[in-house]
Amino acid sequence: EDQVTQSPEALRLQEGESSSLNCSYTVSGLRGLFWYRQDPGKGPEFLFTLYSAGEEKEKERLKATLTKKESFLHITAPKPEDSATYLCAVLLGDNNDMRFGAGTRLTVKP
Amino acid sequence: NAGVMQNPRHLVRRRGQEARLRCSPMKGHSHVYWYRQLPEEGLKFMVYLQKENIIDESGMPKERFSAEFPKEGPSILRIQQVVRGDSAAYFCASSPQYSTDTQYFGPGTRLTVL
Repeated sequence: EDQVTQSPEALRLQEGESSSLNCSYTVSGLRGLFWYRQDPGKGPEFLFTLYSAGEEKEKERLKATLTKKESFLHITAPKPEDSATYLCAVLLGDNNDMRFGAGTRLTVKP
Repeated sequence: NAGVMQNPRHLVRRRGQEARLRCSPMKGHSHVYWYRQLPEEGLKFMVYLQKENIIDESGMPKERFSAEFPKEGPSILRIQQVVRGDSAAYFCASSPQYSTDTQYFGPGTRLTVL
């Protein structure tokens, strides 16, 4: 069965303390892996798309990487405004069926 | 360029009533997706539509739920005879025809069933 698992469920960091969020997947027919940010009461905001193992994408303090079994979202020197839930999703098959993980709730303390 | 728009943002219904949720995709986007997010759970795919066509409804409950994306106007997610378990946030996403991979999400409609 296709599965997307994110860890940890919650992460508390001090401002400036770098860390990584993990997204592991067991799926067949992966077309792409996506990272989104979701703030409370809002819709997911698109961050990155990764298509093949070894690919990396960067945006400000965030860098996403992909292997054949997992993806990491690295956060370098985070700031309090980076506090949010980060969602990982995989796109499967031909019908644009996107499966989401449960998310990692990140809190960055000043 | 306006993003994906959803309305209403909050909807309260009593058990047995009907709920209609609307989604206007981003300009130039012809693909619409609906997701449901239950409290403390992840987003769950419900249905994928193009103009006047349902492409994939594998995530839709078999009864009471329906979706449409007419030639003119917004996409509609309709829930008949709502029950308390339907209380959730419903998100719509859209993608352009030339690149159906990346989906851009709206702000969601929070449905509360009393």
